[in-house]
Amino acid sequence: EAGVAQSPRYKIIEKRQSVAFWCNPISGHATLYWYQQILGQGPKLLIQFQNNGVVDDSQLPKDRFSAERLKGVDSTLKIQPAKLEDSAVYLCASSPDRQTPGELFFGEGSRLTVL
Amino acid sequence: KQEVTQIPAALSVPEGENLVLNCSFTDSAIYNLQWFRQDPGKGLTSLLLIQSSQREQTSGRLNASLDKSSGRSTLYIAASQPGDSATYLCAVRPISGGYNKLIFGAGTRLAVHP
Repeated sequence: EAGVAQSPRYKIIEKRQSVAFWCNPISGHATLYWYQQILGQGPKLLIQFQNNGVVDDSQLPKDRFSAERLKGVDSTLKIQPAKLEDSAVYLCASSPDRQTPGELFFGEGSRLTVL
Repeated sequence: KQEVTQIPAALSVPEGENLVLNCSFTDSAIYNLQWFRQDPGKGLTSLLLIQSSQREQTSGRLNASLDKSSGRSTLYIAASQPGDSATYLCAVRPISGGYNKLIFGAGTRLAVHP
């Protein structure tokens, strides 16, 4: 079974530029998550989708971050304009089951450096 | 607000030692607790998941315990090997504040030297 796919793996941009990250979850997984992991910290949830609807985006900086999950499968996370403090690894995860809280499966992440 | 703390932040040991990594959380109202491993430049790999009704889970040389009432979990690694070198993250699923939302600690960075 294929895992969670993310691209690009690495991205370097200058502040005020924009960037987009893509995630393809495990086939059949209804729930998709985007986490931000700053160096030396644990991952922090940015947004959670159930199919193509948003379940939780309370920690998403909506003035610069946006995310969508069209057709309830792939998802894109966009940052515009980027700030220095956005330098982090952006992790996508998916989980299969809404009836009981279950395991999350993570992709390898997209590392963003903002100069 | 749920907070997760991991001690120590970093650990360096010789090969063969038995290790204990600690995780504490402030709110005992959780569905379960999960331990992850993260290699440099990689995503998270799930190691063990302990439901709130369970006391421990074992997988190979790994054993995780959960004391929900005191807000503590430990990850025990037996006979450590250089291949165990990685960052170990603890995460809890709070019952309130969002479905299947994980709250992570900052991790323990482990180095096992030959």
